[in-house]
Amino acid sequence: AQSVTQPDIHITVSEGASLELRCNYSYGATPYLFWYVQSPGQGLQLLLKYFSGDTLVQGIKGFEAEFKRSQSSFNLRKPSVHWSDAAEYFCAVVGRGSQGNLIFGKGTKLSVKP
Amino acid sequence: DAGVTQSPTHLIKTRGQQVTLRCSPISGHKSVSWYQQVLGQGPQFIFQYYEKEERGRGNFPDRFSARQFPNYSSELNVNALLLGDSALYLCASSLELAPYEQYFGPGTRLTVT
Repeated sequence: AQSVTQPDIHITVSEGASLELRCNYSYGATPYLFWYVQSPGQGLQLLLKYFSGDTLVQGIKGFEAEFKRSQSSFNLRKPSVHWSDAAEYFCAVVGRGSQGNLIFGKGTKLSVKP
Repeated sequence: DAGVTQSPTHLIKTRGQQVTLRCSPISGHKSVSWYQQVLGQGPQFIFQYYEKEERGRGNFPDRFSARQFPNYSSELNVNALLLGDSALYLCASSLELAPYEQYFGPGTRLTVT
């Protein structure tokens, strides 16, 4: 069965520091991969997606993610974090051949220190 | 352009009651999916509809049902509410089925007392 693991429940970084949020997926073939962000009490906003091609994908708000097939990973990165980036981040996968339902990880809560 | 809209924003119900949640997709989007997000967890897939037909169902009891209308809007119904149904219910729309990305609404916060 497909699954997504986000090993870090909560991460705290200082404003201006770099950020990497980890995501590992379990699936037999190359899946479609997504990162979403959720601010408190809000819905989810799509940050970026990977379908095929270049394994380094750029998203909104200065985020990027790299797909590594050998490690079954799709880690999210940002070179310099802003206080407004404090939120919960979810990695998700859609299995190829499915109708498109998303399978989410449990999320990583990001706190930003001034 | 308007994003995905959901109504109501908040809802308080009593155990055993029934509830209907509504979703309007982004204009032109034909697929609507419903997710349940319990506090502290990632969203879990409930249903997906495309062109008014159910195309996917998650591991939820038969108390949960949904439908999609000719204008692509959708309703999620939950009967015989349990305390454990308290959650944020999210609706997402996409242009077509996979691999198109899904865009989420703000959600409906359901509290069952």
